[in-house]
Amino acid sequence: DIQMTQSPSTLSASVGDRVTITCRASQSINSWLAWYQQKPGKAPKALIYKASSLESGVPSRFSGSGSGTNFTLTISSLQPDDFATYYCQQYNSYWTFGQGTKVEIK
Amino acid sequence: EVQLVESGGGLIQPGGSLRLSCAASGFTFSNYDMHWLRQPTGKGLEWVSTIGTAGDTYYPGSVKGRFTISRENAESSLFLQMNSLRAGDTAVYYCARGNAGGWFDPWGQGTLVTVSS
Repeated sequence: DIQMTQSPSTLSASVGDRVTITCRASQSINSWLAWYQQKPGKAPKALIYKASSLESGVPSRFSGSGSGTNFTLTISSLQPDDFATYYCQQYNSYWTFGQGTKVEIK
Repeated sequence: EVQLVESGGGLIQPGGSLRLSCAASGFTFSNYDMHWLRQPTGKGLEWVSTIGTAGDTYYPGSVKGRFTISRENAESSLFLQMNSLRAGDTAVYYCARGNAGGWFDPWGQGTLVTVSS
């Protein structure tokens, strides 16, 4: 099974900050990686697929990069609506998620 | 508008069975792989099962042999039959559409399954 490890688990930031979340796969997953945003009581929402492709309707302040085993999600200027939990997910071999990164207000 | 609506959750005793349903609308259901995922309260996301367009099915070891995914394309419906339920199966269960190999979008709103005596 492919394990996905996110860091940090919690991130404290202010509006306007540049935020980076890291996701590492236990083996190469090429670019078969997605990122999701989840707010309390709501279903996850897809942000990025194939490591760096922006889902339709997602603001351009979100970007993804990486390939192989190391990936990042970057929010260029954090907005009030962005305080949430973020998950990475690999789909190279079956489907597994990282443990999540909670972005909270500093 | 693409929409997924789950139903069938509830409180069930350990060892019991439950059948979840997911009603899809706004897209050609038969053209897409479909998935069930779950999330225990306050915890992360876990893949539960997948059914391909040809009816091929996939499960992780944690539910294999206990859960069965199925679909009815004529009704644009997805199902999850859950048997021999355990406390560890307690979670919000989501259905999701699969895209281009395996990222999930959209997701339904979820249905809560509680396994407890």
